[in-house]
Amino acid sequence: DAKTTQPPSMDCAEGRAANLPCNHSTISGNEYVYWYRQIHSQGPQYIIHGLKNNETNEMASLIITEDRKSSTLILPHATLRDTAVYYCIVRGSSWRGGSQGNLIFGKGTKLSVKP
Amino acid sequence: DGGITQSPKYLFRKEGQNVTLSCEQNLNHDAMYWYRQDPGQGLRLIYYSQIVNDFQKGDIAEGYSVSREKKESFPLTVTSAQKNPTAFYLCASSILGKETQYFGPGTRLLVL
Repeated sequence: DAKTTQPPSMDCAEGRAANLPCNHSTISGNEYVYWYRQIHSQGPQYIIHGLKNNETNEMASLIITEDRKSSTLILPHATLRDTAVYYCIVRGSSWRGGSQGNLIFGKGTKLSVKP
Repeated sequence: DGGITQSPKYLFRKEGQNVTLSCEQNLNHDAMYWYRQDPGQGLRLIYYSQIVNDFQKGDIAEGYSVSREKKESFPLTVTSAQKNPTAFYLCASSILGKETQYFGPGTRLLVL
């Protein structure tokens, strides 16, 4: 699996857009980019995923560069409840079994939304 | 509401004692997973199961055991052989062949 690189922490003002970057320069052609977040002492929550096109849902937008070596998760109007650790993960699209079947969570980016 | 439940939220274990963490899902997902999270760290896979009565070791299975007698349930036993069991344990499930996993609220295990 491709490794990802994220900044350890970021701050964002409440009501402003939060842009969380992720580098995945070794991503292969069939690997998706997934984003999860984990609010303190809770289970991770799925946010969004994409392959090469930009994606948007009710929670966020995902912008993937044309070369797919990096992506940005955008929370358009951050609230205090968006304070969490955000994980960027790259995974293949098919089940392969073994320990390759798990999602590999790194340390993520701790986003602090401030009033 | 569909979802994954884990119980208890907090669990205390005495030295040499086995404890079992519960994980139930009503999402009709085939695949279920157990992860361990230590403070300030990412998640590490303990065991996973793709189908009833079958399960596979993950990256850190030593000192743990699981069963999958029902599709909805995937309990994890932390045995006395696990020398450092204090951690946050997370259960997840997914549709087989789909990579999106849905997580439960977690169980925090503490050793007395």
